Amino acid sequence: DTEVTQTPKHLVMGMTNKKSLKCEQHMGHRAMYWYKQKAKKPPELMFVYSYEKLSINESVPSRFSPECPNSSLLNLHLHALQPEDSALYLCASSQGPQTGELFFGEGSRLTVL
Amino acid sequence: LAKTTQPISMDSYEGQEVNITCSHNNIATNDYITWYQQFPSQGPRFIIQGYKTKVTNEVASLFIPADRKSSTLSLPRVSLSDTAVYYCLVGDQGGKLIFGQGTELSVKP
Repeated sequence: DTEVTQTPKHLVMGMTNKKSLKCEQHMGHRAMYWYKQKAKKPPELMFVYSYEKLSINESVPSRFSPECPNSSLLNLHLHALQPEDSALYLCASSQGPQTGELFFGEGSRLTVL
Repeated sequence: LAKTTQPISMDSYEGQEVNITCSHNNIATNDYITWYQQFPSQGPRFIIQGYKTKVTNEVASLFIPADRKSSTLSLPRVSLSDTAVYYCLVGDQGGKLIFGQGTELSVKP
């Protein structure tokens, strides 16, 4: 199994809603990542979890809250988002933080109204 | 962090070899060079990674000169399905992999 699965594929939410994006991998990878991608732009790194501990936070606003319940799961909790947060949110995993070979999911397309 | 510079776009024809060069003048000793391919509305897909000299796999080759200040991704005999955005990444393997602007490759029949 070489897949990273993200749910939901599409999400529409209002600015007062609370929602979560979920990511799952069963490759035994110990590093997991959240990236945000706007149209026609490169993916921007948000968070890195290494061995289930948050190791990198790229100064992301607190309305985005990551969580790594176990080595296979990564969540991104969303609260009080702004319309400019609408984007494709990509989850990735790698064997460890010491490798550049990331496996990406298909992404969750988020629209904030 | 090393910043990368790539051409914004390139055009090619089916069957040709395509070379995309990435400039990374302030690459650090520990940095590896990694290339990804991305199709619209999909996550990026790993193509190849190298540290120095030449690396080849079943889909591409990566050429890195001795000073490591640039690298060239070579795609042999491209097809229409190779139309995508190609990203060059330079990272210190601490998990902080930053994508540059990417090269939009268009392959024509």
